[in-house]
Amino acid sequence: DAGVIQSPRHEVTEMGQEVTLRCKPISGHNSLFWYRQTMMRGLELLIYFNNNVPIDDSGMPEDRFSAKMPNASFSTLKIQPSEPRDSAVYFCASSSGLLNTGELFFGEGSRLTVL
Amino acid sequence: QKEVEQNSGPLSVPEGAIASLNCTYSDRVSQSFFWYRQYSGKSPELIMSIYSNGDKEDGRFTAQLNKASQYVSLLIRDSQPSDSATYLCAVGLRDDKIIFGKGTRLHILP
Repeated sequence: DAGVIQSPRHEVTEMGQEVTLRCKPISGHNSLFWYRQTMMRGLELLIYFNNNVPIDDSGMPEDRFSAKMPNASFSTLKIQPSEPRDSAVYFCASSSGLLNTGELFFGEGSRLTVL
Repeated sequence: QKEVEQNSGPLSVPEGAIASLNCTYSDRVSQSFFWYRQYSGKSPELIMSIYSNGDKEDGRFTAQLNKASQYVSLLIRDSQPSDSATYLCAVGLRDDKIIFGKGTRLHILP
């Protein structure tokens, strides 16, 4: 299996621009998580989906952030407009079986730099 | 606010010694606990999971859970330079979230 695939691996953009991060979970996994990692705040949960349905988006920092999962094999995280404080590594992770007991498989991350 | 607390380190341990990593969590009803290892510039990978009080051993790794004290630990025996990484403690909450501590940086001294 190819594992969780994220794109782009690196993104450098200017403040105010729209950023779209993409994730393909492992086939057969029914849970998908978006995390953001910074030195100061560690690994923060932004939103997670179960069977393509958003379960909890309370970690999304503000209205500038949105996430979708139109089907079982694809999810996007969008930031519009982007700000320098959004600079971080964004990880997508997927899991099979019961939530909360299954292993999270992480993608390689998307490193975002907003100038 | 549910939290997972870890000492950020760095924790320096001589090669061959036992490394002890600790974690506390705030949500009393949490039922699942995980240790992830993250090498610099890489993504986290699961090394241990534990769900009931006591010890769970897997090779050189032992996870320990004490729900009454809301405390999880990871012991690494016979530490190797390849164990140098950041170790993230994660907790599964009642609402199916999995949240992470900020991690402890471990440095194994050759």
